[in-house]
Parts: sequence; structure tokens; C-alpha cells
Amino acid sequence: IVLTQSPATLSLSPGERATLSCRASHSVRNYLAWYQQKPGQAPRLLIYEPSHRATGIPARFSGSGSGTDFTLTISSLEPEDFATYYCQQRSSWPWTFGQGSKVEIK
Amino acid sequence: QVQLQESGPGLVKPSQTLSLTCSVSGESISSGDYYWNWIRQPAGKGLEWIGRIYTRGSTYYNPSLKSRVTISIDTSRNQVSLKLNSVTAADAAIYYCARDDSSISYWLDPWGQGTQVIVSS
Repeated sequence: IVLTQSPATLSLSPGERATLSCRASHSVRNYLAWYQQKPGQAPRLLIYEPSHRATGIPARFSGSGSGTDFTLTISSLEPEDFATYYCQQRSSWPWTFGQGSKVEIK
Repeated sequence: QVQLQESGPGLVKPSQTLSLTCSVSGESISSGDYYWNWIRQPAGKGLEWIGRIYTRGSTYYNPSLKSRVTISIDTSRNQVSLKLNSVTAADAAIYYCARDDSSISYWLDPWGQGTQVIVSS
């Protein structure tokens, strides 16, 4: 299953709302998660199936969608949220990731 | 709190076998219903899932790498290993290990910090 993320890069200011999209080539039902990766760090699980926040993840992060179209929303960007975000599906083997969306400071 | 740490030679020659270890600390590797995964990320690129092994030993591999990959588990050392043979420049990447289990619906968490592998003669 190919996951296509858009946009590739999103330029926003702190306090603004970020909306990231992940589209699957085939239905993944609700088996989709989002990860955050900062430079030089490993990815960190944010959201899974597709609206459950992982432990310690702030409420400004939310996920939605099902089937082939999913969205990650950051309601009000904090300085620490500028990073690259990846979606991942585990609906069918092999598990696959999107190519990533980078949220950068405008 | 469980922590994962990858290790291995940072430089591998083309056609040779890459061997990496993921050391688990903070709890026994076999204490729960856990799966242990390997994922890689070429420089400046996205993530590729390599495969996973269940605590009891069953394995699942990405078909694109299946003919070259072996993942194993050593419960006595609390370690998970990755072997990738016949490496080429395309195998150069940061290699991560990560756990998944039923408590988070089998998503990847936590991850190790990663270890960089360069393929060069």
C-alpha cells in the first residue's frame, strides 16, 4: 500500500493551525498512525487508529479519517512542533510509511 | 521504562553482511506480548520497514528484502539482531529498532536512537 502525504512542506508561524494529509492507495480501514521526527532523532508515535493520542502527546495534536484519507491536525503550533511528520499503515504487509511532510517555521 | 539501543559496525563493504544489535534495557525482552521491529532511513529520505520478530520467535519480513534479511532474538542477552547480506550502496541508512505490542495496538513505540551504516569499500 502506497501512502502519499501532502504537502511535502508546510511553512507556518507559531500559533497557526497545521493540517497534514495522508492518502492511501488502498483502504487501510483505520489502521493508520502518525509519527513525529525531529532532526537527528528517532521518530516518535503521536497518533494511531486514527485519533488515539499516544502517551504524553498534547491535546493540540489530533487525527481523523478512515479508509484512504487521513488528516493530522496541530491546532496551534508550538516551537517544538516544527518537525517532519510521517504516516504509517499496518493494514496489510508490508507495513509502509508515507514520504513525510515537513512543517517549517515561516 | 524500556529503552532500546542499536549498535554495530558503522562501515560495511559492498557484498558483505551487515550485522546490527538492538539491546533492550528496563525490562525483559520476553516479559510481554512484544514484537521487535527493524526500520531504516536513508539519509534525507523516508522510512522503510524491514521486518519484525515476535518474542516467541516468529518473523515477518518486507518482501523487498526478504531474501537477504534475518532477524533473530536472544532472550538471554535481551537483544534483537538484524543481519542483511549482500549489501550495496542502497543499504546505507540509519537503522532503527522499535517495539510494538498490544498495549498501543501494535504501533511502533518506543524506538531506539538509531545507528548509521555506511556501505563503502
